[in-house]
Amino acid sequence: NAGVTQTPKFRILKIGQSMTLQCTQDMNHNYMYWYRQDPGMGLKLIYYSVGAGITDKGEVPNGYNVSRSTTEDFPLRLELAAPSQTSVYFCASSSPGQGPSSYNSPLHFGNGTRLTVT
Amino acid sequence: EDQVTQSPEALRLQEGESSSLNCSYTVSGLRGLFWYRQDPGKGPEFLFTLYSAGEEKEKERLKATLTKKESFLHITAPKPEDSATYLCAVLIKAAGNKLTFGGGTRVLVKP
Repeated sequence: NAGVTQTPKFRILKIGQSMTLQCTQDMNHNYMYWYRQDPGMGLKLIYYSVGAGITDKGEVPNGYNVSRSTTEDFPLRLELAAPSQTSVYFCASSSPGQGPSSYNSPLHFGNGTRLTVT
Repeated sequence: EDQVTQSPEALRLQEGESSSLNCSYTVSGLRGLFWYRQDPGKGPEFLFTLYSAGEEKEKERLKATLTKKESFLHITAPKPEDSATYLCAVLIKAAGNKLTFGGGTRVLVKP
């Protein structure tokens, strides 16, 4: 049971380089998210998607782009890497809940990509 | 502004020494409060959801409670395998299905 799979696990980039962080889920979840986690700062939402073809900005979208062409995949693109983007990136997915708690289904997270920009 | 604050930042416990973690929030229109556990090098793993003040949920040595301003995660007679970072997150009515996370509490349980 794979759940949410992120690749690569680690990456070192030079300033100005670009890369794509991959995320795929096999739970047929509609909602997918990208978070970054900095030490002691909790998780900050970068972008999210409520379904294929639909994406929206979170709290910290600057410097990132996303696309959602399929239900399973939600890649995150860094175009011009900067040292401020050094972080651990987590992808997550969830499904719409049922009834009165329709927004409250828990997130399923991948194991993260540790990115260093030097 | 919606805020979620966790305390303490770090907690060192002896095995069997019970303690509590705090998650205080100032949000408008709480829809739910979530607790997650995160092991080093891993993604957060869901523990509990609490929806209304007075609600309690338990899982093994963990018990989560909720008031109108804060939530507590009680760890009873912890074991070394309870060592992890514990994250709380809130879901507010105005934010759709997007969670706001606190900074986490790192718990270390020594044998």
